[in-house]
Amino acid sequence: ETGVTQSPTHLIKTRGQQVTLRCSSQSGHNTVSWYQQALGQGPQFIFQYYREEENGRGNFPPRFSGLQFPNYSSELNVNALELDDSALYLCASRDLGTGQETQYFGPGTRLLVL
Amino acid sequence: ELKVEQNPLFLSMQEGKNYTIYCNYSTTSDRLYWYRQDPGKSLESLFVLLSNGAVKQEGRLMASLDTKARLSTLHITAAVHDLSATYFCAVGFTPKGSQGNLIFGKGTKLSVKP
Repeated sequence: ETGVTQSPTHLIKTRGQQVTLRCSSQSGHNTVSWYQQALGQGPQFIFQYYREEENGRGNFPPRFSGLQFPNYSSELNVNALELDDSALYLCASRDLGTGQETQYFGPGTRLLVL
Repeated sequence: ELKVEQNPLFLSMQEGKNYTIYCNYSTTSDRLYWYRQDPGKSLESLFVLLSNGAVKQEGRLMASLDTKARLSTLHITAAVHDLSATYFCAVGFTPKGSQGNLIFGKGTKLSVKP
C-alpha cells in the first residue's frame, strides 16, 4: 500500500508568481484535503476535494484553487503569491464512504516566497 | 467560529515523569484527533476519539475525550526521549456542503530530557 506522496519537496518563488503543488492520495482513498502550516503553527484547512469536486473550503482567498483528477490525485494552485504564503503545504487523504475517520498526511511541500 | 486551544504550548519534561496535555474546543464536535509531528516532518496519526468517554492507549500515551466539557487530554506516562516532538489535537468539523475536515490547535512542543 502506497502512502500519500507530494511534489516537489521544496520550492522557492517570488512575489506575484504562481505555483502548483501536487499530491497523490493513498491507494484506495477518494478524498484529498489541503492544509497550510505556517512556521510554529498548527495546520489550517484550505479545501477538500471529493470525486473531482471541491467539497468544503476554509478561510482562504480565491487565488488558492485546486483540482482533483479521476485517479484521485490532486493539485493546489496559488496565484499572485504573497510573502505570507510561505509555509509547509500538506495534503491528506482518506476514504469517504467507509466511515474511516483518519486522515493520512503526506510529507508536505515547503514553499518559500521571496 | 470553532477554536481549538492546547496547553501548554511548550513542555520540558524529565525522563520517567508523567504529564498531561490539554485540548479545549469551542463548539460541539464528536471527533477528536491527536497527531504527532517531528521537526521537518509530516503529521503522524496517533488517536481518533469518536465518542464521549472514549479512551485509547498506545504505549506510553493515553488519550481521552469528554464531549460535554469539550476537552480531550493526552497523558504521557514515564516519558522517554523518543517522545520528544510536537503534538497536535484537531477537531472534526463540517463546513457547509462538506463531509468534514479538521481544525488544529497550535500544538504542544514536548522536549524530554534525560
